[in-house]
Amino acid sequence: EDKVVQSPLSLVVHEGDTVTLNCSYEVTNFRSLLWYKQEKKAPTFLFMLTSSGIEKKSGRLSSILDKKELFSILNITATQTGDSAIYLCAPLINAGGTSYGKLTFGQGTILTVHP
Amino acid sequence: GAVVSQHPSWVICKSGTSVKIECRSLDFQATTMFWYRQFPKQSLMLMATSNEGSKATYEQGVEKDKFLINHASLTLSTLTVTSAHPEDSSFYICSASLVNSNQPQHFGDGTRLSIL
Repeated sequence: EDKVVQSPLSLVVHEGDTVTLNCSYEVTNFRSLLWYKQEKKAPTFLFMLTSSGIEKKSGRLSSILDKKELFSILNITATQTGDSAIYLCAPLINAGGTSYGKLTFGQGTILTVHP
Repeated sequence: GAVVSQHPSWVICKSGTSVKIECRSLDFQATTMFWYRQFPKQSLMLMATSNEGSKATYEQGVEKDKFLINHASLTLSTLTVTSAHPEDSSFYICSASLVNSNQPQHFGDGTRLSIL
């Protein structure tokens, strides 16, 4: 059975702090690893990681994948109150019936950034 | 580009009612769409994969007679919750796949369903 575990489950920090969110996975037919940010509505795409060791960056956010250890991290530097959200990781796996693959979501990390 | 519209965004209805939720890809064609359910403080759980012109593929434990999926065109998939009960109250989210996109699935804004 596919398993995705995120840690910590929740995190409370102050503005300006740096946070690291973790995602470990055990899935069959792995293709890529995705990170999403969810506020009140549906998830917003952050990163898609396919290769090990190559960091992806977008502003204050960065992420990296380790396919040997089946692990990914999401870093947020100089956090702001607008970063408060649920952060979800989701391995994309090959699945019969679709050429696009299926996403299996972790339980998420609830990040709260206080002013 | 790659906008997915979901309607309605919020619905409240009585127990026993059937509720239809629409998922439309506005500026692209989607042969494959996905339906997820999210209970409070839980993650997104895939319910089914919807393929245009063929039967949906349901995940284990999801009742296909309870959650009817129709994907009759390349831009529209519908999810009907039949004879809804309070335990069906949840946040339902659809997504659509787009070839050669920077991300594998584009999400709608979700439908919050409350059954009284």
